[in-house]
Amino acid sequence: KNEVEQSPQNLTAQEGEFITINCSYSVGISALHWLQQHPGGGIVSLFMLSSGKKKHGRLIATINIQEKHSSLHITASHPRDSAVYICAVNSGGGADGLTFGKGTHLIIQP
Amino acid sequence: DTGVSQDPRHKITKRGQNVTFRCDPISEHNRLYWYRQTLGQGPEFLTYFQNEAQLEKSRLLSDRFSAERPKGSFSTLEIQRTEQGDSAMYLCASSFGSLTDYEQYFGPGTRLTVT
Repeated sequence: KNEVEQSPQNLTAQEGEFITINCSYSVGISALHWLQQHPGGGIVSLFMLSSGKKKHGRLIATINIQEKHSSLHITASHPRDSAVYICAVNSGGGADGLTFGKGTHLIIQP
Repeated sequence: DTGVSQDPRHKITKRGQNVTFRCDPISEHNRLYWYRQTLGQGPEFLTYFQNEAQLEKSRLLSDRFSAERPKGSFSTLEIQRTEQGDSAMYLCASSFGSLTDYEQYFGPGTRLTVT
């Protein structure tokens, strides 16, 4: 069973700061997902990656398969980025159920 | 397509009652997943379907839980004889499910409160 650990659990930063959230997992994976969850429950997929790096707007996700580690970066953070960020992995062939971390609660203060 | 929808959004029930939730996936998606999320925790996998076939069930899915996807489109999750520990957000997600395209799209969830 894959264990997914995220750090930090909680992060408060000032608007404009560069944010890094880390995720590590214990067993080889086929893909890693970064998800965003706002109060009220809705989950939005930000990235799905199996190698290298992806960028979308101010968000950057990287993964190191050998070290079993991924990072999510937010540049020029804004209060609207405040949310819970969740790392999740596919351990099987890619289309199986996800194993989730507990999430990182991010607050960006103006 | 308007995305994954779930009904109801909120459900309050008394202990011992049965409840049923519905999930409508994105229409061309053949995989459908159910997850459960308790307060302050990440979601946990319950079960998933490829078309109408239920391919995997978590140990979390006790005998009181049953899920169906009879025509390979919408799915229902039923909990019988609810317990207070069943209180959680129940999330549904769907994906295209091919070897190269398996990004999951989540519904808004059904929040269950058992009193």
